[in-house]
Amino acid sequence: QVTLRESGPALVKPTQTLTLTCTFSGISLSPSGMCVSWIRQSPGKALEWLALVDWSDDKYYSTSLKTRLTISKDTSKNQVVLKMTNMDPADTATYYCARHLAAASGYYSMDVWGQGITVTVSS
Amino acid sequence: QSALTQPASVSGSPGQSITISCTGTSSDVGGHNYVSWYQQHPGKAPKLMVYDVSNRPSGISHRFSGSKSGNTASLTISGLQAEDEADYFCSSYTRSNSLGWVFGGGTKLTVL
Repeated sequence: QVTLRESGPALVKPTQTLTLTCTFSGISLSPSGMCVSWIRQSPGKALEWLALVDWSDDKYYSTSLKTRLTISKDTSKNQVVLKMTNMDPADTATYYCARHLAAASGYYSMDVWGQGITVTVSS
Repeated sequence: QSALTQPASVSGSPGQSITISCTGTSSDVGGHNYVSWYQQHPGKAPKLMVYDVSNRPSGISHRFSGSKSGNTASLTISGLQAEDEADYFCSSYTRSNSLGWVFGGGTKLTVL
């Protein structure tokens, strides 16, 4: 069974750096074709894609947030880490990590999601 | 404002069919066949229901089907059941600026 689980702080102060960890079991980032994304969902319910890392360590970021985001993977620990700098109350959201489906066409959808972690930005 | 446009809400009675639309641009929905749909119940993570416009992952009911015409994708749910009541989000791969994914604002489905 494939599972992903997000961990990190529930509360951060404005201007701080948020560090979130996605720990997965039942899968590995080692084999070719594995991709993991971070997505967040604001209290108003909109989903927003943030970043992706693939098996070869290629990384892609949301154009609007790329100056604040860093994604990395630790294959030995089965973890993907997201860092977001200069946090603002507008960044208050539930943050999800998700694995991309390995379809015949490629990796264009997310088929396994973590339960999500709610992060509040407040002083 | 979300990149993809969905109706805020739709409703239907048990047994009926409903369709949710998702409108984008030629840079995303209209530019390829990488549109997916997600179901989300309150307090839960999104669940993949349809990928690559019209494909269903293993275990997803045949009552869920997807299609696309031009810049608009659609999700149809036939034989509505009470458990279908949820939020539904569309998503599309995009390469408008760089590689990424965009989502719709979500549609609340109410089963009357």
